[in-house]
Amino acid sequence: DQQVKQNSPSLSVQEGRISILNCDYTNSMFDYFLWYKKYPAEGPTFLISISSIKDKNEDGRFTVFLNKSAKHLSLHIVPSQPGDSAVYFCAASGMNRDDKIIFGKGTRLHILP
Amino acid sequence: NAGVMQNPRHLVRRRGQEARLRCSPMKGHSHVYWYRQLPEEGLKFMVYLQKENIIDESGMPKERFSAEFPKEGPSILRIQQVVRGDSAAYFCASSPTRERYEQYFGPGTRLTVT
Repeated sequence: DQQVKQNSPSLSVQEGRISILNCDYTNSMFDYFLWYKKYPAEGPTFLISISSIKDKNEDGRFTVFLNKSAKHLSLHIVPSQPGDSAVYFCAASGMNRDDKIIFGKGTRLHILP
Repeated sequence: NAGVMQNPRHLVRRRGQEARLRCSPMKGHSHVYWYRQLPEEGLKFMVYLQKENIIDESGMPKERFSAEFPKEGPSILRIQQVVRGDSAAYFCASSPTRERYEQYFGPGTRLTVT
C-alpha cells in the first residue's frame, strides 16, 4: 500500500523554466514532509521540508507547497538549471519521534538545454 | 568531515551465499538507519540502530537478514543465503540525534545476486 505517491515517473523541463514535481499522500497522520534529491551512484540528499502547520516553505530556488485538505504537496524549482537533473523523492513522516520516514518512488527530472 | 561511507559499493553474490554490507556513519553520529531500494521503487526503511542496540527493526524481513552496530566499528547489514529478490541498492543513513529528519545518506551498496 503506497502511502506516498509520486505519479509522474519522469518530467522534462526547459532550462530556465519552472519545474513542478507533485506528490500525494494517503495517511492523515503524516505531519512532516521532505524532498530529497538523488544523483546516479549517490545517496539521497535532503533538499527542503515542510511541517503540516505551514502551507509553504521557500529556500532559494526551491519552494514546497502543502495542501493538507487535498493531501498533496508540490516542489517548485525556478529557474530550473542543468544541475537540477536528478531523481526527486517525496517523503513523509508522522509526529512521533520514532515514526519512520516513508518515501515515494521518485520522479526523474530532466532539464533540457 | 567525511560523510557516511558504505562499502563495498558493488557486491555480486551467487544464490545461497552471504552478503555483508558495511556502513561507517559520519563522525559524531551514533544513530544509523538502513534502507533498501528495489528497482523502480522508493527507499524502504529496514532497521534503526544506535550503538550496540537495535531500536526498530520493523522493516527487516523476518528471515536471513540481520543488522548490528557494535561499540567499535561500522554498522553491518548481513544477508544470509541470498536470493535473486535481494538484488537492490542498500542505503545507510546516519544522524547525530534521534531526530530522524537529520539523516545523512551514504552512497549505497548495489547488491547483485546471480
